Amino acid sequence: GAVVSQHPSRVICKSGTSVKIECRSLDFQATTMFWYRQFPKKSLMLMATSNEGSKATYEQGVEKDKFLINHASLTLSTLTVTSAHPEDSSFYICSATRQETQYFGPGTRLLVL
Amino acid sequence: AQSVAQPEDQVNVAEGNPLTVKCTYSVSGNPYLFWYVQYPNRGLQFLLKYITGDNLVKGSYGFEAEFNKSQTSFHLKKPSALVSDSALYFCAVRDGGAGNMLTFGGGTRLMVKP
Repeated sequence: GAVVSQHPSRVICKSGTSVKIECRSLDFQATTMFWYRQFPKKSLMLMATSNEGSKATYEQGVEKDKFLINHASLTLSTLTVTSAHPEDSSFYICSATRQETQYFGPGTRLLVL
Repeated sequence: AQSVAQPEDQVNVAEGNPLTVKCTYSVSGNPYLFWYVQYPNRGLQFLLKYITGDNLVKGSYGFEAEFNKSQTSFHLKKPSALVSDSALYFCAVRDGGAGNMLTFGGGTRLMVKP
């Protein structure tokens, strides 16, 4: 299947700092990528749809100014958590679509102290 | 609107026995249905999908799923469970005629005991 990578896999930061998470499609181009958040023992919550060359589409209740998304190329989307707070601690997962199937990255565990 | 229900939070099965993880869906257009598996602290791995064609779909690691239009179900099955199958399983649906957005079920934890 298609390969999607994420970096970093784990990050710990202080409250008030910003954290950037990268999502790459390694063997295919993706005009659309998705960012999800997953709480412990819960399902995935779609945060936003990242569109190459245009603005991201955010789901209701997701602050666009806090979760900045940039899809600068057909293989890279970034999610920046700005001024992170402890309640932003979570597991963030990206995905990209290839041939009608979404393939997911391995996830990034964010811990904000 | 589209939705997915996984009625069981957890399924327990003995190794070697058949397993079934249930999924029902609701979608206004043509359903595109997916199963994913998640191991601890990992992303989701694609198992199988139904878009069109045969109702019985075979996927990775010996898993299969049957699309039942009348019952709006897409249950995941495996004839003989392995301890290594223990993980969190997600069913997902999207409307085939309306973009890429997937809707996930709440997940079912499969526990296979030796």
